[in-house]
Amino acid sequence: DIVMTQSPDSLAVSLGERATINCRSSQSVLYSSNNRNYLAWYQQKPGHPPKLLIYWASTRESGVPDRFSGSGSGTDFTLTISSLQAEDVAVYYCQQYYSTPFTFGPGTKVDIK
Amino acid sequence: EVQLVESGGGLVQPGGSPRLSCAASGFSFSSYAMHWVRQAPGKGLEHVAVISSNGGSTYYANSVKGRFTISRDDSKNTLFLQMGSLRAEDMAVYYCARGSTGSCYSSMDVWGKGTTVTVSS
Repeated sequence: DIVMTQSPDSLAVSLGERATINCRSSQSVLYSSNNRNYLAWYQQKPGHPPKLLIYWASTRESGVPDRFSGSGSGTDFTLTISSLQAEDVAVYYCQQYYSTPFTFGPGTKVDIK
Repeated sequence: EVQLVESGGGLVQPGGSPRLSCAASGFSFSSYAMHWVRQAPGKGLEHVAVISSNGGSTYYANSVKGRFTISRDDSKNTLFLQMGSLRAEDMAVYYCARGSTGSCYSSMDVWGKGTTVTVSS
């Protein structure tokens, strides 16, 4: 199974500042035949289901604000919130869909400093 | 409006076999893979099972393999999760989610609100 790790476990950022979350997979999730990274990012607010933010590691889902961006390839990935807003307080999860069983990272909690 | 509504959760005794349902609306259900994801109280997300759009491929988490079965009825736009030999560690909110494509190997772009399964005697 592919193990997903995230860092940090939590972070507090001032409003308008940048938040950066890292995700690492225990093996590459880059499929060479199509050059796609099978990596997604989700946001979950308390009491709500997860929401897809980013897929293919860097493609923003329709309707997601452009302050959210994803980068990375192979085994190392990053979710960046360029200017943190109050409504971005949530837990963020990365997930690989490269091989079954599909696995999530443990989550990173983002708060306002 | 694209919508997924789960049902079938509740209080279940250890060893029980509840069946969860997920009613889909607002999209062409038969064109998409469908997933079940669960979240134990205060914990992170765990992918439970996925079924391809044509039903020909199914995959399970190691923790539920042999005990749970995912299936779909495209005529009723409904996804199912037949659970069996329930254990305390199966207690969670169970979310139904739509795959972004018909392939199992896709992200999950639409989520239901979840149904809670409580395992207790």
